[in-house]
Amino acid sequence: QKEVEQDPGPLSVPEGAIVSLNCTYSNSAFQYFMWYRQYSRKGPELLMYTYSSGNKEDGRFTAQVDKSSKYISLFIRDSQPSDSATYLCAMRSNFGNEKLTFGTGTRLTIIP
Amino acid sequence: GAGVSQSPSNKVTEKGKDVELRCDPISGHTALYWYRQSLGQGLEFLIYFQGNSAPDKSGLPSDRFSAERTGGSVSTLTIQRTQQEDSAVYLCASSFAAGGETQYFGPGTRLLVL
Repeated sequence: QKEVEQDPGPLSVPEGAIVSLNCTYSNSAFQYFMWYRQYSRKGPELLMYTYSSGNKEDGRFTAQVDKSSKYISLFIRDSQPSDSATYLCAMRSNFGNEKLTFGTGTRLTIIP
Repeated sequence: GAGVSQSPSNKVTEKGKDVELRCDPISGHTALYWYRQSLGQGLEFLIYFQGNSAPDKSGLPSDRFSAERTGGSVSTLTIQRTQQEDSAVYLCASSFAAGGETQYFGPGTRLLVL
């Protein structure tokens, strides 16, 4: 079993809809949680970065972390065609262990 | 400012040949990472450099893979005697320091081994 599980999709939703993307993980040592967006033939770019449990909002994006359930989510409100990309969750344990462990990514398409 | 750059952007090679992939991190970033992205596999950690410390090589899949970082800046990932299963996108990332700083990724090198 992988340390981080993510539904690869593909996921298609109409423009303006709320998108929910999720990851589950098994390693309780993970403390830092990230969401990256990757456009085709580009490197991943950081969208959201959270530490431990809780919510974080940035514009149309909200990240949620529930460490008790080992479950993280990314919500995209008022989705736009420009949001069409692959979304990768990533996580790492405490200071001194620098490598990121990624989910496989969810391919999202926003239909105009 | 300039982001992380990688070269070449694409590389096609024959099985058994050696390849070198280059990464130029963001200026001033002391930490540098290599990842591999295979279809359906997500990003897989390969190796991590931090300043003058010994690199964390725990993710290298075999002894055919090696990496070095000269002068604390540019890094080269070398794959010897390439195999078809080495075909993937090789991504480099850098961060200002260790300890949870944001990792910024380059565009990747797409390697195809025939």
